[in-house]
Amino acid sequence: EAGVVQSPRYKIIEKKQPVAFWCNPISGHNTLYWYRQNLGQGPELLIRYENEEAVDDSQLPKDRFSAERLKGVDSTLKIQPAELGDSAVYLCASSLFSGRETQYFGPGTRLLVL
Amino acid sequence: KQEVTQIPAALSVPEGENLVLNCSFTDSAIYNLQWFRQDPGKGLTSLLLIQSSQREQTSGRLNASLDKSSGRSTLYIAASQPGDSATYLCAVTGETSYDKVIFGPGTSLSVIP
Repeated sequence: EAGVVQSPRYKIIEKKQPVAFWCNPISGHNTLYWYRQNLGQGPELLIRYENEEAVDDSQLPKDRFSAERLKGVDSTLKIQPAELGDSAVYLCASSLFSGRETQYFGPGTRLLVL
Repeated sequence: KQEVTQIPAALSVPEGENLVLNCSFTDSAIYNLQWFRQDPGKGLTSLLLIQSSQREQTSGRLNASLDKSSGRSTLYIAASQPGDSATYLCAVTGETSYDKVIFGPGTSLSVIP
């Protein structure tokens, strides 16, 4: 069974440029999460989807971040424009039905904003 | 607001030693607690999940305990091996259906051959 797939693995951009991350969850998993992890810290939830519905986006900086999960399968997270403070690892995870179950993480996208 | 802390931040032990990692949380109204492992440059791998009604879970050389009332969990690793070197994170899920998962900062473990 394939795990959570993320691309790209690494991205270097200049500030004010846009950037997008893609995630394909484990087949059949209804719940998808996007996290941001800063160096030396645990992941912080940005947004959680139950199928196509964003059920928790309270931590998503909506002035510059956007996300979508069309058809309830794969998802894209976008930053526009990027700021220096956005440098971090962006992790995608999925679980079978809800936030109460084991989450399976992808390898993450390491973003560096110059 | 739930806060999760982990002590120590880093730990170095000789191979073969038994060790304990600690996790504390401020709000005891949790649904479950999970321990994850993260290798450098990689995502997180779930090790153990303890439901709030449980006291402990075991998997191989790993044993996790939960004391919900005191807001603490421990991860016990028996007979440590160099391959156990990684960062270990705990995470709690709140009781309401839409509570998010809150992660601790992790403990970086080095097992010296």
